[in-house]
Amino acid sequence: DTGVSQDPRHKITKRGQNVTFRCDPISEHNRLYWYRQTLGQGPEFLTYFQNEAQLEKSRLLSDRFSAERPKGSFSTLEIQRTEQGDSAMYLCASSSERGGDTQYFGPGTRLTVL
Amino acid sequence: SQQGEEDPQALSIQEGENATMNCSYKTSINNLQWYRQNSGRGLVHLILIRSNEREKHSGRLRVTLDTSKKSSSLLITASRAADTASYFCATDGWGAQKLVFGQGTRLTINP
Repeated sequence: DTGVSQDPRHKITKRGQNVTFRCDPISEHNRLYWYRQTLGQGPEFLTYFQNEAQLEKSRLLSDRFSAERPKGSFSTLEIQRTEQGDSAMYLCASSSERGGDTQYFGPGTRLTVL
Repeated sequence: SQQGEEDPQALSIQEGENATMNCSYKTSINNLQWYRQNSGRGLVHLILIRSNEREKHSGRLRVTLDTSKKSSSLLITASRAADTASYFCATDGWGAQKLVFGQGTRLTINP
């Protein structure tokens, strides 16, 4: 069990550019979640996958955001036309139906939009 | 939107003392979980307590849950400098997989 991994760990981009983040969940976990955390706040839910199906999306996930989990393993989160307000830590978590409801988090990707 | 409040927002104690953090939430829950986050890092899962449980222990951690008051507390006994971190409670509702987090308590353990 190598834990949840995220790549990159840090991303600095200019306003208007597109960025893509990757999350690799714990290998046997079929559920995958994306959260966003701004400074001094708790994480906020963005979206959730069970296997390859995206089952829930937050209203925070504007049309500039898209997430995929094509084969039910790793997931990508893309932000198009980034804005300064997108600067945050993007956290990925995974869980297993058989393992109960505990969500295990990755180290996060810190995005800075200049 | 945040589910509820954590209290206090910041807590500073001496090493060896006990630290108590409280969490209140607004809606019915399935589970309540506590996480620790060191500055700028990911979240580490500490303990999960189900809505039909009242108390749970894990090492130096003790969590209580009072569903009638919609509140939980996390007690860390015999604190250590390494316990310095932010602590978050998170809830999930029946049939909902997403976690809803509070704003966290920043705990500082002074040597």
